[in-house]
Amino acid sequence: AQSVTQLGSHVSVSEGALVLLRCNYSSSVPPYLFWYVQYPNQGLQLLLKYTSAATLVKGINGFEAEFKKSETSFHLTKPSAHMSDAAEYFCAVSGGSTLGRLYFGRGTQLTVWP
Amino acid sequence: NAGVTQTPKFRVLKTGQSMTLLCAQDMNHEYMYWYRQDPGMGLRLIHYSVGEGTTAKGEVPDGYNVSRLKKQNFLLGLESAAPSQTSVYFCASRLTGQSNQPQHFGDGTRLSIL
Repeated sequence: AQSVTQLGSHVSVSEGALVLLRCNYSSSVPPYLFWYVQYPNQGLQLLLKYTSAATLVKGINGFEAEFKKSETSFHLTKPSAHMSDAAEYFCAVSGGSTLGRLYFGRGTQLTVWP
Repeated sequence: NAGVTQTPKFRVLKTGQSMTLLCAQDMNHEYMYWYRQDPGMGLRLIHYSVGEGTTAKGEVPDGYNVSRLKKQNFLLGLESAAPSQTSVYFCASRLTGQSNQPQHFGDGTRLSIL
């Protein structure tokens, strides 16, 4: 079985500060991991994905995430926050099934202060 | 470049009324999913389909029915709406069931049951 825990339902940073959104996963098989972003009144947009090719994954809008098997983590980072990064972020895990199911965390709302 | 299109975008129903939400994708994807999103709960899978003519239950299927008569369309039905079904509903599609593939999301349907 797979599951995801996102630590911190709300994160606030100042513009220009480091963004760190935490995600820990549980999986009985090698996982595939995804980060999605949701802007207000929109659907989910893929930020990046880990599919075992490289542990450091770069995504859109300057975000990146590092897969750490020993820590069962896949934290999302961005060196310098921008006002336009304000959104809700979801971590999701998949793997071990042909059904293609994604298991989502509960989300982290990112607020960026000017 | 439509991707995943959901109809309608907003709807208000009275308790006991019925309605159908339509999801259409133009990417020739085999797999399709219906989720509901509630505050602090992330996305929860209602039903899914692994191909035309197939449907299966997700983690919160009660009170909903689905049909996949055509590959490109996935319909979600509420036979007798209840206030507990007030939510934002998202449809997603995936090319196949391979776990390394992301899901592509529509913009959602915001449904209120009075």
